[in-house]
Amino acid sequence: EDQVTQSPEALRLQEGESSSLNCSYTVSGLRGLFWYRQDPGKGPEFLFTLYSAGEEKEKERLKATLTKKESFLHITAPKPEDSATYLCAVQAEYDYKLSFGAGTTVTVRA
Amino acid sequence: EAQVTQNPRYLITVTGKKLTVTCSQNMNHEYMSWYRQDPGLGLRQIYYSMNVEVTDKGDVPEGYKVSRKEKRNFPLILESPSPNQTSLYFCASSFISGGINEQFFGPGTRLTVL
Repeated sequence: EDQVTQSPEALRLQEGESSSLNCSYTVSGLRGLFWYRQDPGKGPEFLFTLYSAGEEKEKERLKATLTKKESFLHITAPKPEDSATYLCAVQAEYDYKLSFGAGTTVTVRA
Repeated sequence: EAQVTQNPRYLITVTGKKLTVTCSQNMNHEYMSWYRQDPGLGLRQIYYSMNVEVTDKGDVPEGYKVSRKEKRNFPLILESPSPNQTSLYFCASSFISGGINEQFFGPGTRLTVL
């Protein structure tokens, strides 16, 4: 069974204090790894899809990287508007199902 | 605007009273799915549909039904709701392009069953 573990559960940052979120996964062949952002009371918003080890993608202050066993979401010089829960999900080969981690809640203080 | 819509957004009901949560997408996506989200458990898939008239169980299907009579709509039906179905529900849809299931989510429906 596919497993996705995100750490830490919660992260409190000062504005401008860069940090990283971890998503470790176990899957029998990875088709894709997804990062989503979720604001309180709202639906997850798609950020990135990563397909293979070594791949990196960036969007504003966010950068996602992928290895064979984990993915990192780096937040560079965060702002209060980056406060959200960040979700990681994996899709195995030969399957369409997404398995989600429980998320990391990031709070950025001004 | 491309979007997934859900109705109602909030619902308080009582045990045993049948209810339907609607989901509609305007992106001509083949794949649609329902999830529930509970604290500490993440998103868990209830049911999914690969296309019209094709539905299948996800990880937590007990107590739920779905139908897919039209491509754009995928309602979630609770025939006899119970308090353990109190949760935040999300509908999602996707184009399964190249086999990648990049899903787009609706705004959510918060359900409370008393």
